[in-house]
Amino acid sequence: DARVTQTPRHKVTEMGQEVTMRCQPILGHNTVFWYRQTMMQGLELLAYFRNRAPLDDSGMPKDRFSAEMPDATLATLKIQPSEPRDSAVYFCASGDFGQPQHFGDGTRLSIL
Amino acid sequence: AQKVTQAQTEISVVEKEDVTLDCVYETRDTTYYLFWYKQPPSGELVFLIRRNSFDEQNEISGRYSWNFQKSTSSFNFTITASQVVDSAVYFCALPRSGNTPLVFGKGTRLSVIA
Repeated sequence: DARVTQTPRHKVTEMGQEVTMRCQPILGHNTVFWYRQTMMQGLELLAYFRNRAPLDDSGMPKDRFSAEMPDATLATLKIQPSEPRDSAVYFCASGDFGQPQHFGDGTRLSIL
Repeated sequence: AQKVTQAQTEISVVEKEDVTLDCVYETRDTTYYLFWYKQPPSGELVFLIRRNSFDEQNEISGRYSWNFQKSTSSFNFTITASQVVDSAVYFCALPRSGNTPLVFGKGTRLSVIA
């Protein structure tokens, strides 16, 4: 079965450090999503791309978060500088029009 | 704007009981999809079902069944003869439109006790 692959699975780092999360979407899926899950907010969208073009990143704090798709097989989400409130599980998902979104296993991020 | 409400925060049942998870949604779209995802204790999000709004037939997959009622904007999920492995958080979701980001409910945590 094709899967969305996220790395790393876990990340613990100190406040102020740069964090990079990577996602390999399912081959052929034209849309890639980044979601964040916290206890308080639940699952919320950060950004998404279609055919590698960013369509909406209004869910991200622009001053510290950035999302890119350097090629069709890689999406990245960066936080610089990281803060304790960024601690969460970050999910990448990919999909095609009319098809379900399939999620990666997530990156569990802890900022100390 | 799309909205999904899962009023049941937590449900606890004894193994082999049937359990229904409620989902109520709001949308102005005339056609739309609805989804259920499962998040087991290991943390991944597992796709369970996608339902198109113009297909109101109930769906059954093994011990799982879904009741979609457009008139009441509900898409409820029933597990028959629950098992401990069904313990998870279940999310109902609705896309903004087409293949766009999902709007999730807050989830229902189901605990099945042996």
